[in-house]
Amino acid sequence: DGGITQSPKYLFRKEGQNVTLSCEQNLNHDAMYWYRQDPGQGLRLIYYSQIVNDFQKGDIAEGYSVSREKKESFPLTVTSAQKNPTAFYLCASSKGRQSVNTEAFFGQGTRLTVV
Amino acid sequence: KNEVEQSPQNLTAQEGEFITINCSYSVGISALHWLQQHPGGGIVSLFMLSSGKKKHGRLIATINIQEKHSSLHITASHPRDSAVYICAVRKVPGINTPLVFGKGTRLSVIA
Repeated sequence: DGGITQSPKYLFRKEGQNVTLSCEQNLNHDAMYWYRQDPGQGLRLIYYSQIVNDFQKGDIAEGYSVSREKKESFPLTVTSAQKNPTAFYLCASSKGRQSVNTEAFFGQGTRLTVV
Repeated sequence: KNEVEQSPQNLTAQEGEFITINCSYSVGISALHWLQQHPGGGIVSLFMLSSGKKKHGRLIATINIQEKHSSLHITASHPRDSAVYICAVRKVPGINTPLVFGKGTRLSVIA
């Protein structure tokens, strides 16, 4: 079955440590996105990539980094520079540039807790 | 001011009731999405629409482009409909531009 896989589902890290969240898709989608969700707030865009080896900052990119070396994979690193990293992180993907209106597919999310 | 506003924020209904969730937006869009998020956190796409009305089972979504407003209706609601419903828009020009999300409406359907 095609879909998006995020791992792990729950992640605990000590303050000051970098941590990488995994996102893999087998939908052959060109575009991939990372969002952050906090209680009472809508999803906010961290980074997105429309094609391999290219990505753009979203609204809240500070303290995060990404790479897009393969079409299937878009890992997100939460660095020690992110002041409030505890949150729920969602990865999404959609079809390529030639598609104007495309459905978005979402992973199951990773809940990161920094202690 | 948020570009996408949803109302109500929270909604409690009795099983069988007809439910309406509203979404207003203030930007030009190429499409509007309705999404469902269950307690586990994963999100499922319910509808994507750019005009008119779509129906899937007990769910109906409508959009009025001139008024920049969309509604999600649930007929004969059931406890399994309990979830957070999220409205999201794709701003013009629309080619894989990231979605902009409302804050969601938390629905609880009581048996």
